[in-house]
Amino acid sequence: DAGVIQSPRHEVTEMGQEVTLRCKPISGHDYLFWYRQTMMRGLELLIYFNNNVPIDDSGMPEDRFSAKMPNASFSTLKIQPSEPRDSAVYFCASSPRGATDTQYFGPGTRLTVL
Amino acid sequence: KQEVTQIPAALSVPEGENLVLNCSFTDSAIYNLQWFRQDPGKGLTSLLLIQSSQREQTSGRLNASLDKSSGRSTLYIAASQPGDSATYLCAPGGHSGNTPLVFGKGTRLSVIA
Repeated sequence: DAGVIQSPRHEVTEMGQEVTLRCKPISGHDYLFWYRQTMMRGLELLIYFNNNVPIDDSGMPEDRFSAKMPNASFSTLKIQPSEPRDSAVYFCASSPRGATDTQYFGPGTRLTVL
Repeated sequence: KQEVTQIPAALSVPEGENLVLNCSFTDSAIYNLQWFRQDPGKGLTSLLLIQSSQREQTSGRLNASLDKSSGRSTLYIAASQPGDSATYLCAPGGHSGNTPLVFGKGTRLSVIA
C-alpha cells in the first residue's frame, strides 16, 4: 500500500484566497483524521470521520474551515477565506478500527498564507 | 480536558547512551497510549501502543511503560544511535476507543556520533 497520500505538499497563497487540501487514506481504514501542527500549539486534532461521517469537529477553529469525505478514499479540508494565522503543517491520518487505534500519517501539507 | 506534558523538550546525548523520555497526562482514565516518532519535514510514525491494561510494551531497542494511575509513561531507548535522532511524541487515547488521541508537544532528540 502507498500509505496515506496528501496533496499538495506545499501551498503558498495570499490572504483571503480559498485553500483546498486533499487526502487519500489507506484502503480499508474506517477512520480519517485531520490535524494541524504549529510550533506554538503542537499537533491539534481538527476533525475526524468514521465511515465517511464526521464524528467530532470540535477542533475546527472557526467557520472558515470545512471538511468533507464524499467517499472512503478521499477527503478534503477547505479554508475560505485563508488568513496568515492559518499557516501551519496540516496532516491527514487514517486508522483501521478506532480513534485510538494505531494511526498512519501522511507526509503533510505545509501551508503558508501571506 | 486532557493535557499532555513531555519533559525534556529537547535532549542531546552521545551515541550509545541509554535514555528515557517522559510523558505525563492529567486524565488517567485513558483507553491506551501511543508513542510516535517524527522526522524533520515528515509525518508521524507509530512506534508503540500500550493498552490501558498493560504495564509495558517492547519493540527492538524501544521499551514503553505505562503507569496509568499516576498519569505517566516513559519511553526507554537502549544503546542510542544517530538514526534515533527525531522528535518523539506521546499520545494518550481517551475514555473509549472512539475518543481521539491528545498529543504532547514532543521531545526533540539528537544523538551525536
